[in-house]
Amino acid sequence: GENVEQHPSTLSVQEGDSAVIKCTYSDSASNYFPWYKQELGKGPQLIIDIRSNVGEKKDQRIAVTLNKTAKHFSLHITETQPEDSAVYFCAAGGGADGLTFGKGTHLIIQP
Amino acid sequence: GAVVSQHPSRVICKSGTSVKIECRSLDFQATTMFWYRQFPKQSLMLMATSNEGSKATYEQGVEKDKFLINHASLTLSTLTVTSAHPEDSSFYICSASAGGRYNEQFFGPGTRLTVL
Repeated sequence: GENVEQHPSTLSVQEGDSAVIKCTYSDSASNYFPWYKQELGKGPQLIIDIRSNVGEKKDQRIAVTLNKTAKHFSLHITETQPEDSAVYFCAAGGGADGLTFGKGTHLIIQP
Repeated sequence: GAVVSQHPSRVICKSGTSVKIECRSLDFQATTMFWYRQFPKQSLMLMATSNEGSKATYEQGVEKDKFLINHASLTLSTLTVTSAHPEDSSFYICSASAGGRYNEQFFGPGTRLTVL
C-alpha cells in the first residue's frame, strides 16, 4: 500500500515569511495529491490539490509542486498570516484506493 | 460547492449505549463515503470505506460489528458506534467523494464523541 511521510511535524515562521511543508510517497500509481488545513476542533478543509499530469499549481499565496520521479510534493505558503496557523495534512492516492495521509504539520505563525 | 455535513457535532453518552452519526453530501452525489477516526494531535485513521448500496469495507483492526456503517443513498451515510465504551471517545470525521479518476474527498466538520 501507499506510505506517506510528512515533514516537519512542527513549523514556526514569522508573519510575512514563507512556509514550506514536504511530503514523500511510495506508490508510483498514486495520481492525486491534495493538501488539507485543519483548525482545532474542525474537519480538514481542502486548500489545494495537484494531479499527476502537472508539476506545479498555484492559488494566490498557496502553491504545490510535484516531482513524480522523486515521489515528493511540497506545499508553499507565501506572505504568511496569523490565520494560516493550523495543522496541515498532505495525502496521496486517488481512484478506488482512496487517500493515505501524512502525519500532519503544525504550522505556527509568529506575530 | 462540495459541502459535507455531519450530525451531531458533539455527543456525550453513557457507557454501553449506541450512538449514530450522520454524514451528508449537500450539493453532490457521493458514490463513496469514508469514515475516519482522529485522536488528539494525530493524523486521520481510515476506519472504513462505503459505497452506496453495498457493504462497507473495513480497515484492518476495525471491528465491523462495533462500528456499523450504512450508506443507503448517494447523499447519506451513517456510522453507529454500538455499545460505546470510554476508549471509543474520539473525533470521528467523514468524507465524501463523487468518484471519478481522482476520487477527490471532501470532509465533514467532524463529530466529537465522549463516552462516560
